[in-house]
This record gives sequence, C-alpha cells and structure tokens, in this order.
Amino acid sequence: KAGVTQTPRYLIKTRGQQVTLSCSPISGHRSVSWYQQTPGQGLQFLFEYFSETQRNKGNFPGRFSGRQFSNSRSEMNVSTLELGDSALYLCASRDSYEQYFGPGTRLTVT
Amino acid sequence: TQLLEQSPQFLSIQEGENLTVYCNSSSVFSSLQWYRQEPGEGPVLLVTVVTGGEVKKLKRLTFQFGDARKDSSLHITAAQPGDTGLYLCAGVPNTGNQFYFGTGTSLTVIP
Repeated sequence: KAGVTQTPRYLIKTRGQQVTLSCSPISGHRSVSWYQQTPGQGLQFLFEYFSETQRNKGNFPGRFSGRQFSNSRSEMNVSTLELGDSALYLCASRDSYEQYFGPGTRLTVT
Repeated sequence: TQLLEQSPQFLSIQEGENLTVYCNSSSVFSSLQWYRQEPGEGPVLLVTVVTGGEVKKLKRLTFQFGDARKDSSLHITAAQPGDTGLYLCAGVPNTGNQFYFGTGTSLTVIP
C-alpha cells in the first residue's frame, strides 16, 4: 500500500495570507489527523477527521480549519497567517490503533 | 498537563552505550506505539505493544509495555549514530478515541 502523502512539501507565504495543505491517507484508512510541530512546542494536535466528520479537536484558534472528503482525503486551511504559524505540518492516517505519518509540509511565514 | 510524559527529554551518549527511555501515564492505554523522527520528516512507527507486560524486540531495540498498561519503555543496546533522532511514544487511552503523543526524547549518539 502507498503511504500517506502530503502536498506541497514546502511552502513560503506572507503574513496575512491564507494557505491550504493537502493530505491523502493510506488506502482504507478513514481517520486523518493533523499536527503542528515547532521546535519550541513539540507535536501539537490540531484536529482529527473520521468519515468526513471532525471527531476530535485540539486547542488552536479558529484560523485553523480542516475538512475531509468522501474519499478520505483531507485538507487543512490556515487563514490570516501569522509569523508564529511557521512550522512543520504533519498529517497522519489511522487504522484501529496505529497511526502513520506523511512526510510533512514545511510552512514558512515571512 | 500531558497525558504521556517521557523521560529523559534530552539524551546525549557515546556510540556503543546502552540507554532507556521511559513513557509514563496515569491513564490506561489499550496499546502504545513508539515512533522515531528525523529532522524535517514525519515520525516513523517502530512498534506497537498491546498486551500488559509485553516485550518486543527490534534488532537492538527492546520495547516493554507495563503490566498495568500505563507505561512503556524503550531500551537501546550498543547505540549507533544512526539511532539519533526524536523518539515519541503515543497511544489511545481506554477512556477515549483521540491519539495522544508523549513529550518526546531527543537522542544524540556521538561517534
């Protein structure tokens, strides 16, 4: 099976812009989670989607949103970007109790 | 408050030494996973432990799940520079369906 894929791998945006990141899970996995990772804060949970519904949500502002499509592919959107949003954004798909990560999208906000 | 606490947070050792990383919680987990992450990449799943008291070996890495399923450990024998990375434990507690990650252990093995 193909692994989790994320696009794009690298992105540079300007403060105030918005960005959309994409994730394709492992075939058959219905759960997709998003994480933000920064050197100072570690791995922070954003949200999880299961069968097109948000199942769990972390403690992030409303500027961070996501959705999942009927084929389980997921997108996350960050509006009104801030410098502090610069991070590695990781997507993970999950079967019953194991989670598998994609390579991540490195977002730099200038 | 973190559901999963890892110790130590940082570890720097010489090649050939042994080390143990701990993952502890006050909650019971149905299973726990261990991941290794290299800079700029996504974490890679190393192992899943499911049964209390279970021990799994992956070459020089030994993973143990506590009898009460609240803690786990990762032991590396004769560490090599290629073991360098961030080690994360993770799992879903019995009381919910959300995945939780540990605070992480950054390991550096010096040649």
